[in-house]
Amino acid sequence: AQSVTQLDSQVPVFEEAPVELRCNYSSSVSVYLFWYVQYPNQGLQLLLKYLSGSTLVKGINGFEAEFNKSQTSFHLRKPSVHISDTAEYFCAVYILTGGGNKLTFGTGTQLKVEL
Amino acid sequence: DGGITQSPKYLFRKEGQNVTLSCEQNLNHDAMYWYRQDPGQGLRLIYYSQIVNDFQKGDIAEGYSVSREKKESFPLTVTSAQKNPTAFYLCASSIKALGRGTGELFFGEGSRLTVL
Repeated sequence: AQSVTQLDSQVPVFEEAPVELRCNYSSSVSVYLFWYVQYPNQGLQLLLKYLSGSTLVKGINGFEAEFNKSQTSFHLRKPSVHISDTAEYFCAVYILTGGGNKLTFGTGTQLKVEL
Repeated sequence: DGGITQSPKYLFRKEGQNVTLSCEQNLNHDAMYWYRQDPGQGLRLIYYSQIVNDFQKGDIAEGYSVSREKKESFPLTVTSAQKNPTAFYLCASSIKALGRGTGELFFGEGSRLTVL
C-alpha cells in the first residue's frame, strides 16, 4: 500500500533559524508531490508542487523542496523562518498507477516558531 | 474571486440529529472531495465526485452521505449513524478528475462540527 510519512509531528524552531520538514513516501512508480500549509481553523493552501523537471522546487513564502527519487523523499526547507510561519504542514503524494491514481496525505507536521 | 465556500463555519448538533454541510465552488472544477480532519491523523477521504450525478466512497464513508446534482455543489450529510462525528470537515476540488489531472487540490475554509 502506498503511504506518506512525515516523521516529525512537531518541530520547534527559533525565529530566523533554518528549518527542514521531512516527507518520505513509498512508491516505485511515478509520483507528483505537494506541500500544503494550514493555519488554525482554516483550509489548506498549496505551498509548492513537483510535477516534473527540476528536482528543486520553489514555492510561496520563501519555502522550497527537493525531490529525491532514490530516497523517495520530498523534504521542505526554509533558510530563515518567521513567526508567521507557525502552522501545520502537510505533504501529499499523487501516485500515478495508470488505473487508479491515488492522492495520499501525510499526518502533518506542526511547525512552531518561537522568539 | 473564484474559490470554494463552505458553510457553516461552526456547527453544533445534538446526538441523533443529521446535519448537512454545504460546499460550493465557482472554479468550474470537475471533481470535488470531502475530507475529515482529526488531530494527529491528517486528512481522511470521506467521499469524492468526479462528475455530476456520480460519486464514490472514500476511506471512511460510513455514516456519511453526499449528492452531486450540480457541478458547483457537493453537500455532505453527517447522519446519526456516524459514531464519532465531532471533527473538522474540509471540502476540496480539482480541475480534472483523478487520473486526468495533477492531483492538485483547492480547499475551502472548513467546517467544524461539534456534537453535544
